[in-house]
Amino acid sequence: AQSVTQLDSQVPVFEEAPVELRCNYSSSVSVYLFWYVQYPNQGLQLLLKYLSGSTLVKGINGFEAEFNKSQTSFHLRKPSVHISDTAEYFCAVGQSGYNKLIFGAGTRLAVHP
Amino acid sequence: DVKVTQSSRYLVKRTGEKVFLECVQDMDHENMFWYRQDPGLGLRLIYFSYDVKMKEKGDIPEGYSVSREKKERFSLILESASTNQTSMYLCAIAGTSGYNEQFFGPGTRLTVL
Repeated sequence: AQSVTQLDSQVPVFEEAPVELRCNYSSSVSVYLFWYVQYPNQGLQLLLKYLSGSTLVKGINGFEAEFNKSQTSFHLRKPSVHISDTAEYFCAVGQSGYNKLIFGAGTRLAVHP
Repeated sequence: DVKVTQSSRYLVKRTGEKVFLECVQDMDHENMFWYRQDPGLGLRLIYFSYDVKMKEKGDIPEGYSVSREKKERFSLILESASTNQTSMYLCAIAGTSGYNEQFFGPGTRLTVL
């Protein structure tokens, strides 16, 4: 069965510092990978996705993620965060022929001035 | 732009009441999902529907039922609300492209007293 592990439940960081949010998945087949962001009291918004091709994926708001098949990871990075990046981030995995996504427990990013 | 609307942003109900949460989409997508979100637990799938009148249980269906009489509308029903159903409820939709990308509504924060 597929599973997704987000290794950090909370990540505090200062404004303009770099950040990495970690995500590992378990699956024996080809997968699709997603990062979603949730601002307070809102639904989830797609940040970026990996479907195939280049392992480095760029998303909205300056975020990027790298798919590493050998390490079954899909870590999210941003070189310089803003206060407005404070939100909860969810990693999710899907696979062809299976119409559900499996979500991680989420990582709360808190950006401090 | 994809539009997924949920009938209420905030709802307060009493124990034992029957509660209806509605989700409406404007994208003609086949797949619709109901999740609940609780701190530290991420998103947990309650039910999903892959066509009109078709439904499938998710990971935590107990205490819930669903209805999909029209393609654009997916309702979640709490037959007899209990305090442990106090949560954020999120509706999502997805097409059948095979990539599983889901689009979310704004969420309904339900409090059961």
